[in-house]
Amino acid sequence: EPEVTQTPSHQVTQMGQEVILRCVPISNHLYFYWYRQILGQKVEFLVSFYNNEISEKSEIFDDQFSVERPDGSNFTLKIRSTKLEDSAMYFCASSSYLGNEQFFGPGTRLTVL
Amino acid sequence: KQEVTQIPAALSVPEGENLVLNCSFTDSAIYNLQWFRQDPGKGLTSLLLIQSSQREQTSGRLNASLDKSSGRSTLYIAASQPGDSATYLCAVLDGTGANNLFFGTGTRLTVIP
Repeated sequence: EPEVTQTPSHQVTQMGQEVILRCVPISNHLYFYWYRQILGQKVEFLVSFYNNEISEKSEIFDDQFSVERPDGSNFTLKIRSTKLEDSAMYFCASSSYLGNEQFFGPGTRLTVL
Repeated sequence: KQEVTQIPAALSVPEGENLVLNCSFTDSAIYNLQWFRQDPGKGLTSLLLIQSSQREQTSGRLNASLDKSSGRSTLYIAASQPGDSATYLCAVLDGTGANNLFFGTGTRLTVIP
């Protein structure tokens, strides 16, 4: 069964460093998303992406964040200068069309020291 | 802004019992509602999707209902098993044209053998 994959599963970085989190969405899906979950808190929406551009973003998704689909399969989230409060589990998701079921990857646990 | 609440926060039941998990949301203008399962430190597994025009959906031992006008959904699990132990999250997709899910904080279910 097709699934969303994410790498790495765990990333440890120093404050101020850049990180890139990678995702491979389900192959025939057109909409891609990033969410995050700080330990003990709700899953929060960061950004949605369609047709090679951001379709929506939350107030969390500030200038330190960017997303890219560098080729036909990968979807990346970059954090330019990480802060302690960026420590969280980051989930990638995809859906076949707008409003359809979203399928989530296993997550990348980001730890900022 | 849409707020999603899940009660109870935690629930313990003996194996074999039927149980109901509750989800409420503040804005009834939703597009759909998804129930997820999250195992500790893992990703989100989609269980059921209910479109706003539907009243319920069933998958195996799971049955989800939706009462949009009152802002409520329930997830019914029949004949619970220890393998059902996990955190169950509900999430709503706003009907405003946005494409992001608003998540509840989840119900942590423990099924005791």
